[in-house]
Amino acid sequence: DAGVTQSPTHLIKTRGQHVTLRCSPISGHKSVSWYQQVLGQGPQFIFQYYEKEERGRGNFPDRFSARQFPNYSSELNVNALLLGDSALYLCASSLQLTTGYYEQYFGPGTRLTVT
Amino acid sequence: AQSVAQPEDQVNVAEGNPLTVKCTYSVSGNPYLFWYVQYPNRGLQFLLKYITGDNLVKGSYGFEAEFNKSQTSFHLKKPSALVSDSALYFCAVRALVRDGAGSYQLTFGKGTKLSVIP
Repeated sequence: DAGVTQSPTHLIKTRGQHVTLRCSPISGHKSVSWYQQVLGQGPQFIFQYYEKEERGRGNFPDRFSARQFPNYSSELNVNALLLGDSALYLCASSLQLTTGYYEQYFGPGTRLTVT
Repeated sequence: AQSVAQPEDQVNVAEGNPLTVKCTYSVSGNPYLFWYVQYPNRGLQFLLKYITGDNLVKGSYGFEAEFNKSQTSFHLKKPSALVSDSALYFCAVRALVRDGAGSYQLTFGKGTKLSVIP
C-alpha cells in the first residue's frame, strides 16, 4: 500500500515569494496534519484538517494557510516567505480525527529553502 | 500544556549493547505517548505508542518502551543495538489542539540522535 506522499521533494524560493506544498494521505485516511520541522528541532504542529474542514491551527502566522480537497489530499500555502520559513514540511495522515488510538503516519517531507 | 522533554541530544552505544533513549512528559490527565524515528532525509516512522494497559510497550524493529507514571517517563529501549538503528528519535505526546473542536495534535520533543558504533 502506498504511504503518505508529498510533492515536491525539494524547493528553493526567494524571500517574499509564495509556495504551495502538496500531500496525498494514505488511502482511506480522512485526516491530514501539517508540521514544520526546523533543523535541530522536533516537528511543530501547523494545521489539522478533517473531512475538508480545518479542525486545528498551531501557533503560526496568517501567512500560512491550507486546505483539504474532496479526495482528502491537502495543500499548504505560505505567503511572503521569510528566511525563517526554511524547514522540512511534514504531512501526516490518520484514519480518524479523535480516537483513543491516535496514530499519525508521516510522509517524507518537502525540504523548503528560502534564500 | 502538554509537553515532552528529551534530556539527551545524543546517545552513543556500541553495537550489541542495550540502548536507552530517555523521555519525560508533562500532561494533565492520562498521557497518550508515542515514539517516532527519523532517518536522514526521510519522514518520521512510527515505532510504538502507550495509551493504557501494560507499562511495557512493544513496538517495531525490536524496540520497546517503559511507561513509568510516578517518574513521568517513557524511555525507549532495545536489548541489543544494531548499526542500522542509528537515527534521530522523537518522543511525542497527544495534546488538544488550541481552539480546536476536540481534535488532537502531536507535541514532539527536540529529538535524540542515536549513534550505534560498530
